Amino acid sequence: GAVVSQHPSWVICKSGTSVKIECRSLDFQATTMFWYRQFPKQSLMLMATSNEGSKATYEQGVEKDKFLINHASLTLSTLTVTSAHPEDSSFYICSARDRGSPVQGTYEQYFGPGTRLTVT
Amino acid sequence: GEDVEQSLFLSVREGDSSVINCTYTDSSSTYLYWYKQEPGAGLQLLTYIFSNMDMKQDQRLTVLLNKKDKHLSLRIADTQTGDSAIYFCAERPGGYNKLIFGAGTRLAVHP
Repeated sequence: GAVVSQHPSWVICKSGTSVKIECRSLDFQATTMFWYRQFPKQSLMLMATSNEGSKATYEQGVEKDKFLINHASLTLSTLTVTSAHPEDSSFYICSARDRGSPVQGTYEQYFGPGTRLTVT
Repeated sequence: GEDVEQSLFLSVREGDSSVINCTYTDSSSTYLYWYKQEPGAGLQLLTYIFSNMDMKQDQRLTVLLNKKDKHLSLRIADTQTGDSAIYFCAERPGGYNKLIFGAGTRLAVHP
């Protein structure tokens, strides 16, 4: 089946530093990748949609200069949290849409296992 | 607006049926989804239903959709301990690639 990996699985960084999170589709090509943020006991909040070779589309309220997204290839998207602050601590999840979709009129987003970011 | 709501917690006895409910607001949603998240793992698509359907059954899973009330439910028959997880309802607003998720329902299965 389709597998999406994220690296690192968890990271602790100091306030003011930047952190890069990678999202890779391992056995399929993903023209579109999505970045979500999940707070404890809350839903996944879509942050941005990333299309290969073009600029990401950010959801309302998400600072594009703070959360830099790069989708340089069909198998890799990166999210960089710049000048991280404690309030950026969260669980970040990516998903990828198979380039070969849709199936039966819909398509499946394959999710990565998530990255837990803690900013001290 | 886009909003998906579901109850946060459900506890059932092993072997009983579980019913997880969800309400959504976007009437343009073409597809509605149920995802399962186990501890430390990513979300796994369980099933989906197209908006012109009322019901879909897939082995132990039954999805019911009341489009008029914008209500979606997931029934798990013969619930097992391995079904313990968080279940997310999600809608896909018409014309968009993105998914809007509910907060997730934590299902606990006890003997």
